[in-house]
Amino acid sequence: DQQVKQNSPSLSVQEGRISILNCDYTNSMFDYFLWYKKYPAEGPTFLISISSIKDKNEDGRFTVFLNKSAKHLSLHIVPSQPGDSAVYFCAASGGYSGGGADGLTFGKGTHLIIQP
Amino acid sequence: DAGITQSPRHKVTETGTPVTLRCHQTENHRYMYWYRQDPGHGLRLIHYSYGVKDTDKGEVSDGYSVSRSKTEDFLLTLESATSSQTSVYFCAISGLGLYNEQFFGPGTRLTVL
Repeated sequence: DQQVKQNSPSLSVQEGRISILNCDYTNSMFDYFLWYKKYPAEGPTFLISISSIKDKNEDGRFTVFLNKSAKHLSLHIVPSQPGDSAVYFCAASGGYSGGGADGLTFGKGTHLIIQP
Repeated sequence: DAGITQSPRHKVTETGTPVTLRCHQTENHRYMYWYRQDPGHGLRLIHYSYGVKDTDKGEVSDGYSVSRSKTEDFLLTLESATSSQTSVYFCAISGLGLYNEQFFGPGTRLTVL
């Protein structure tokens, strides 16, 4: 059973507009949620994260929103730039041992394409 | 960038042969992880380590073993490789930052024929 779901395999957005990537989860024990960006043939790069006790975290062009009652989070990128084209993974921690040291549970990823 | 290297970066091997992948870090982080990435599955945790000689299983640990004899090195071994273990393998490290963020290595592409 997939505990972290990214239901959109791909998303196409025009340069300069807002990109919104969505993620749903089922495990109430998750304590942190993270977004990673991945280019082909490279490892995932940490982008931004949020604690389960917060509802928003912002870092430059990136904002993550958490709706705990709906078990839903989203990543907003404003404005979108060509270099943002990549695969974005939503991940959550606390799903194994419940502590901060255990592994992350990942969604399947969304391929974001920024069109000029 | 976090100091994480993986070796080899690419490997082709035959079914039934043993394979060892190495992850090396220079950050002195306590926690290290092995994930595999397959089409349609995202990244899945194989094993992780919370200290020297302290390891635990992840979601997809069958067919894999790990060892950590030094803080900086985390080895992943496929005792007898199978075609289902063809994948891209990523090592990650964590110092348990504010958000439990993990930092990933460049990956090893393994093909089992």
